[in-house]
Amino acid sequence: GDSVTQMEGPVTLSEEAFLTINCTYTATGYPSLFWYVQYPGEGLQLLLKATKADDKGSNKGFEATYRKETTSFHLEKGSVQVSDSAVYFCALMNRDDKIIFGKGTRLHILP
Amino acid sequence: SQTIHQWPATLVQPVGSPLSLECTVEGTSNPNLYWYRQAAGRGLQLLFYSIGIDQISSEVPQNLSASRPQDRQFILSSKKLLLSDSGFYLCAWSEPSGTATDTQYFGPGTRLTVL
Repeated sequence: GDSVTQMEGPVTLSEEAFLTINCTYTATGYPSLFWYVQYPGEGLQLLLKATKADDKGSNKGFEATYRKETTSFHLEKGSVQVSDSAVYFCALMNRDDKIIFGKGTRLHILP
Repeated sequence: SQTIHQWPATLVQPVGSPLSLECTVEGTSNPNLYWYRQAAGRGLQLLFYSIGIDQISSEVPQNLSASRPQDRQFILSSKKLLLSDSGFYLCAWSEPSGTATDTQYFGPGTRLTVL
């Protein structure tokens, strides 16, 4: 079945470090891909998305590129801040219009 | 603009007690509605989704049920809670099926602790 696999956390970085959170997927066809962020004690918020191959989603300095050839959608940010500390979820929407989430990656940014 | 509300924000219940969590959406019509559970270390699990009043699909068989008494109201219930029901419950909505938008928007969540 369709699935999303993302790197396990927690990931701990110093402020201004470069961030990569890996995400790969298995799905039939061409799913839409998403990154959601969950700040402490809150619900999920859409961070960015891409709907077709080679699309790049971007928001708040975060980027992810839809790579069909490697079935990946890695999240990157050039310089993280303490306020980026959160749990990040990679997700896809499959042909049945259901969203399938990865297990989440907790990110800690140290000042 | 659209908003989504959930209540209560936190809940502590004894094993065997009933449960009712409510979710309402404002600013849209005929949304798709979803209930997810986020258990510690297990990521997000889709529990129910609904494309209309009285049209609810269950993704995971368990002692929970969902109802949609009004277009923009989605309720998660249980007659008897289990310890394993503890978790963070998230409601979400998306545009009606057949539209171009495929994004889901999440509520603030309810943290349920079953003792």
